Amino acid sequence: AQKVTQAQTEISVVEKEDVTLDCVYETRDTTYYLFWYKQPPSGELVFLIRRNSFDEQNEISGRYSWNFQKSTSSFNFTITASQVVDSAVYFCALSESSNTGNQFYFGTGTSLTVIP
Amino acid sequence: ETGVTQSPTHLIKTRGQQVTLRCSSQSGHNTVSWYQQALGQGPQFIFQYYREEENGRGNFPPRFSGLQFPNYSSELNVNALELDDSALYLCASSLGWGAGNTIYFGEGSWLTVV
Repeated sequence: AQKVTQAQTEISVVEKEDVTLDCVYETRDTTYYLFWYKQPPSGELVFLIRRNSFDEQNEISGRYSWNFQKSTSSFNFTITASQVVDSAVYFCALSESSNTGNQFYFGTGTSLTVIP
Repeated sequence: ETGVTQSPTHLIKTRGQQVTLRCSSQSGHNTVSWYQQALGQGPQFIFQYYREEENGRGNFPPRFSGLQFPNYSSELNVNALELDDSALYLCASSLGWGAGNTIYFGEGSWLTVV
């Protein structure tokens, strides 16, 4: 079973619109960690945020915000006032404390296109 | 830019051949992990190295092997290449080996098997 599900394969928005990228995860661990990464066409995954399972406080960083809800096993990512530079593939990932090592489980990604 | 460097950036191999990919970790990072990313998919965990030993492995066959060196750099070796091995291979490094450590990626090595 997929541990991280990103149901939105592709999203297109017009510049300055807000957009939310959904992430649903599945784990039996009580301690786990969630991440978001951005992958531009160059290929490198760029780290955006890390959240542990005990911290449900939402976070805002500039135009980016994250909504973590354990009750629905979701960790959604919102970009406010989108810009063309936000166009990329975004991945949500899970790391579980029960694993040996630090294996990340990635979703299949959401490709975001911001139209000028 | 994370400081994780990988080489080569692109390469083409023939089915049945062997390939070695290299990675230099970010300064101060002692743990390296490797991921395979097929086109249109998310990265899949291959394995992780800490103190020159493999300490975690995903669902990949033994023909995928690795090394970590005393300076924390790493190699990924793939033997008997198959067409399905065509993918972007990503190296990532982190400050520690345990769950939850943020991993920082390099730009990857694009492997095409023909």
